[in-house]
Amino acid sequence: RKEVEQDPGPFNVPEGATVAFNCTYSNSASQSFFWYRQDCRKEPKLLMSVYSSGNEDGRFTAQLNRASQYISLLIRDSKLSDSATYLCVVLPADSWGKFQFGAGTQVVVTP
Amino acid sequence: EPEVTQTPSHQVTQMGQEVILRCVPISNHLYFYWYRQILGQKVEFLVSFYNNEISEKSEIFDDQFSVERPDGSNFTLKIRSTKLEDSAMYFCASSDFASGRSSYNSPLHFGNGTRLTVT
Repeated sequence: RKEVEQDPGPFNVPEGATVAFNCTYSNSASQSFFWYRQDCRKEPKLLMSVYSSGNEDGRFTAQLNRASQYISLLIRDSKLSDSATYLCVVLPADSWGKFQFGAGTQVVVTP
Repeated sequence: EPEVTQTPSHQVTQMGQEVILRCVPISNHLYFYWYRQILGQKVEFLVSFYNNEISEKSEIFDDQFSVERPDGSNFTLKIRSTKLEDSAMYFCASSDFASGRSSYNSPLHFGNGTRLTVT
């Protein structure tokens, strides 16, 4: 089983719609979780950390389900500029820096 | 906003040559990292560096690779005897993770990468 798994997509989303997708992780003791976005051939950029109680940042909502070992990202009122690949990133419990990346979920927002 | 800077943005080298990729982490960060991404694949951890020594490394990071912090600002990745399969985007990152501080507040901050092409 892969350490971090994501649906590669693409998720084709009409502008203004809502899209949500998940990421599963294999290490139950993982300590922290993040969503990054990556535009084509660019560096990953932090979108948001994912807290145990769930958290929101504007149109973005992240949830953590430790029992089922997945995190989710929901994007409301999608904008064309939200088109990107969204990377799920997990930090294992016994590591200070060996962040594990999912392969990414591609989102394409269409006019 | 402080940035991680990497040079060069693109490096072309012949198989068997040595390359040095350079990075300037964010100045008050303590942890430095190298990750790589082969075209079309996921971002892979190579090495983390703290207090002037390697903290963790992956199985990719073998004797062909080395890292160094030659002065107070630069952090370098040296790849000896490059192979075709070393062609990838190499990202430097830093974080301000410290003992007692939640890792949630210390995510990775990436540079804009060096595209290495080995011919």
